[in-house]
Amino acid sequence: SSELTQDPAVSVALGQTVTITCQGDSLRTYSTNWYQQKPRQAPVVVIYGDNNRPSGIPDRFSGSRSGNTASLTITGTQAEDEADYYCNSRDSSRQWSSGHHWVFGGGTKLTVL
Amino acid sequence: QVQLVESGGGVVQPGTSLRLSCVASGFTFRTHAMHWVRQAPGRGLEWVAVIWYDGDTKYYADSVKGQFSISRDDSKNTLYLQMDSLRVEDTAVYYCARENKRDCDGGNCYSVWLDPWGQGTLVTVSS
Repeated sequence: SSELTQDPAVSVALGQTVTITCQGDSLRTYSTNWYQQKPRQAPVVVIYGDNNRPSGIPDRFSGSRSGNTASLTITGTQAEDEADYYCNSRDSSRQWSSGHHWVFGGGTKLTVL
Repeated sequence: QVQLVESGGGVVQPGTSLRLSCVASGFTFRTHAMHWVRQAPGRGLEWVAVIWYDGDTKYYADSVKGQFSISRDDSKNTLYLQMDSLRVEDTAVYYCARENKRDCDGGNCYSVWLDPWGQGTLVTVSS
């Protein structure tokens, strides 16, 4: 099955910009979603379809994808953005069921200094 | 409001079975594919299974194929996960989530994502 690779941890100073990346072969074919998970809470989507923000998500969150790499950027990071972030896509590696299995990255723990 | 509520978790011994439920409200359940995603303690998210709106099309992660079974009862707005022959490594919080689609051309959609997620139910497999 396909894999998505994320850096385990990233830190950013309060108010600065941070980019979290996700790499994998499936990203050459399928769009990327990003989920934020705070301790003891369920994940919440912050970006879907590479660069779309759901209603209620601050516009400091943005996303992009190029080749086999997707990125989540937080501009003007706030203390409340400290969380785990997971990328997600559909699995393109299966010959007969491409896109029907899903895959998550290992997650990036974002620390706001 | 749109809501998913899981139940059925607990502490079980290896080799036993458990059935999880996820009750949906606030949206037309029968028109959405539904997923199960799990998270082992201190670990990342792992996709488990999906069932399409037709109730017949199902896909499973390799790690649970042949061991878990996903189903739905649209008359009860409920999603299920039947887990058999449980192993210690199946210990996790299990989340159900609704699939959403956008930018579709025929059967292919550019944007496909999970939202909302339930609060999760903890399954602990231990002797």
